[in-house]
Amino acid sequence: EVQLVESGGGLVQPGGSLRLSCAASGFTFSSYWMHWVRQAPGKGLVWVSRINSDGSRTNYADSVKGRFTISRDNAKNTLYLQMNSLRAEDTAVYYCARGVIRGYYFDYWGQGTLVTVSS
Amino acid sequence: QSALTQPASVSGSPGQSITISCTGSSSDVGSYNYVSWYQQHPGEAPKLMIYDVSNRPSGVSNRFSGSKSDNTASLTISGLQAEDEADYFCISYTSSSTYVFGTGTKVTVL
Repeated sequence: EVQLVESGGGLVQPGGSLRLSCAASGFTFSSYWMHWVRQAPGKGLVWVSRINSDGSRTNYADSVKGRFTISRDNAKNTLYLQMNSLRAEDTAVYYCARGVIRGYYFDYWGQGTLVTVSS
Repeated sequence: QSALTQPASVSGSPGQSITISCTGSSSDVGSYNYVSWYQQHPGEAPKLMIYDVSNRPSGVSNRFSGSKSDNTASLTISGLQAEDEADYFCISYTSSSTYVFGTGTKVTVL
């Protein structure tokens, strides 16, 4: 069974940093693109970033470019999102999602981890 | 990258059909057949309903269908049921090698 479990969320002050993790199981993690998607409270979904199967290619939404870094450890079956220079508008539930092989959509999602940026 | 435009809300009676539009640009929806749709119930993770404009994953009811014309994609729910009440989001791949979601639509079953 495919499982994605996010962790690392919490309360952080503006300007601070946080690293999210997404532990994957039930599939060959190293074969898939992985994504981060966020959702502010009561708002819509926003795509944040993606990384290819071996970690050599990444893409970011303009709103996080230069502040967030996506990475992965295929030996640990874990996806990461390093978030720096956090702003109030980064407050959201952060989901990791699996991208399908040779496709452009997400077939499995985690349950999300809440990040709150506030003083 | 601006969000794709969806109506904020759509409603219908049980058994009726409704259609949700998703309007983008020539840089996203208009250029690729890589539009997918997700259903999200309160407090839950999104669930894939349609991929590549009009394909349905196994396990998704055939009451859900998708289409696209120029810069606008659409999701149609036929034979509306109470369990279809949820938020629906479209998403498209873009020419910048990124993705952009729609603004989201709340479907209400009257």
